[in-house]
Amino acid sequence: DAGVIQSPRHEVTEMGQEVTLRCKPISGHNSLFWYRQTMMRGLELLIYFNNNVPIDDSGMPEDRFSAKMPNASFSTLKIQPSEPRDSAVYFCASRSGISGANVLTFGAGSRLTVL
Amino acid sequence: AQKITQTQPGMFVQEKEAVTLDCTYDTSDPSYGLFWYKQPSSGEMIFLIYQGSYDQQNATEGRYSLNFQKARKSANLVISASQLGDSAMYFCAMREGPGNEKLTFGTGTRLTIIP
Repeated sequence: DAGVIQSPRHEVTEMGQEVTLRCKPISGHNSLFWYRQTMMRGLELLIYFNNNVPIDDSGMPEDRFSAKMPNASFSTLKIQPSEPRDSAVYFCASRSGISGANVLTFGAGSRLTVL
Repeated sequence: AQKITQTQPGMFVQEKEAVTLDCTYDTSDPSYGLFWYKQPSSGEMIFLIYQGSYDQQNATEGRYSLNFQKARKSANLVISASQLGDSAMYFCAMREGPGNEKLTFGTGTRLTIIP
């Protein structure tokens, strides 16, 4: 299996631009998570989906952030408009509901820089 | 209150020595899971080891073991015979309650192995 695949790996954009981050979870995993990592706040859960349905989006910072999961193999995290404080590494992770240990498998991350 | 506390921001250890990374947690739920992840300089998050709150024995995975002291609410990671490749950030995380999908992470410990 190729693991969790994220794109782009690096994104540099200017303030006000729209940013779309993409994620392909591991086939067969029915839960998908978006995390954000910054020096100041560490790893924060933004939103997670179960069977393509958003379950908890309480970590989404504000209305500029939105996430979708149109099918079991694809999810997007969109920031519109982007701001410099959104600069961070965004991780996507997926998990199989079968595992008792509920281990999250992370993608390599998307490093976002907003100028 | 912090759910996961890692009090060692950084540690330096001589190669081949054992190292203990501290983690304490806070929960009132009797059912929970504790995880350790490694994040090398390349940025990916790598799952290391899992301990369930009802597990009778400490978890072990190769050179990694988890020193689980339930009454003290601590879940320290022990790495035996450290190697240069162990240099990385290490994160402790907790999932509270049965059926809860969310993982809450600590702030991490940066481990540096000295040759």
